[in-house]
Amino acid sequence: EAQVTQNPRYLITVTGKKLTVTCSQNMNHEYMSWYRQDPGLGLRQIYYSMNVEVTDKGDVPEGYKVSRKEKRNFPLILESPSPNQTSLYFCASSAPAGGGLREQFFGPGTRLTVL
Amino acid sequence: AQKVTQAQTEISVVEKEDVTLDCVYETRDTTYYLFWYKQPPSGELVFLIRRNSFDEQNEISGRYSWNFQKSTSSFNFTITASQVVDSAVYFCALSEARNYQLIWGAGTKLIIKP
Repeated sequence: EAQVTQNPRYLITVTGKKLTVTCSQNMNHEYMSWYRQDPGLGLRQIYYSMNVEVTDKGDVPEGYKVSRKEKRNFPLILESPSPNQTSLYFCASSAPAGGGLREQFFGPGTRLTVL
Repeated sequence: AQKVTQAQTEISVVEKEDVTLDCVYETRDTTYYLFWYKQPPSGELVFLIRRNSFDEQNEISGRYSWNFQKSTSSFNFTITASQVVDSAVYFCALSEARNYQLIWGAGTKLIIKP
């Protein structure tokens, strides 16, 4: 089954404790992206990647890191989480990136709480 | 700078009514892409449509239709004969061809009452 998986689905942590949210897709998509969703703000893009070893900042990259060492994986790293990073996070992937952004397939979301 | 405005925070209608969700966008590019996504109460995000800036033809898919007007920078979404299962948050989003960023509107929560 074609899908995007994220782990963990729920995470409660404390300020300053490094964490990684994993994202994996099995559709051989070149494009992958991370978003955060906050009430009243919709979704905001954190980082995206056009292909292996190619990443770019989205609207709200501060406090986040990503890496794309393999095509299928795109982990989101919070090196020193803070309470303002409490949010619902979505990973997404999309078919070959030429010709503009296409339909994205989303993971189920990771709800992160930073105390 | 890119911007997407969904001025309707919440809409509530009775089943079988038609409802239109508004989306107004801003961009300096001549080539761009517009999207609608649905987020039902279960939380997943579901793709509905992608439209490029050179295709102003309106689209109809069953009870769903989209009206793209470049003159007013709008890409509105209409549900005809709404059903309770249409209850969801609907997002409009914009991507310029020069990059692969995606800018989202704040979303419109649609409530369909039986």
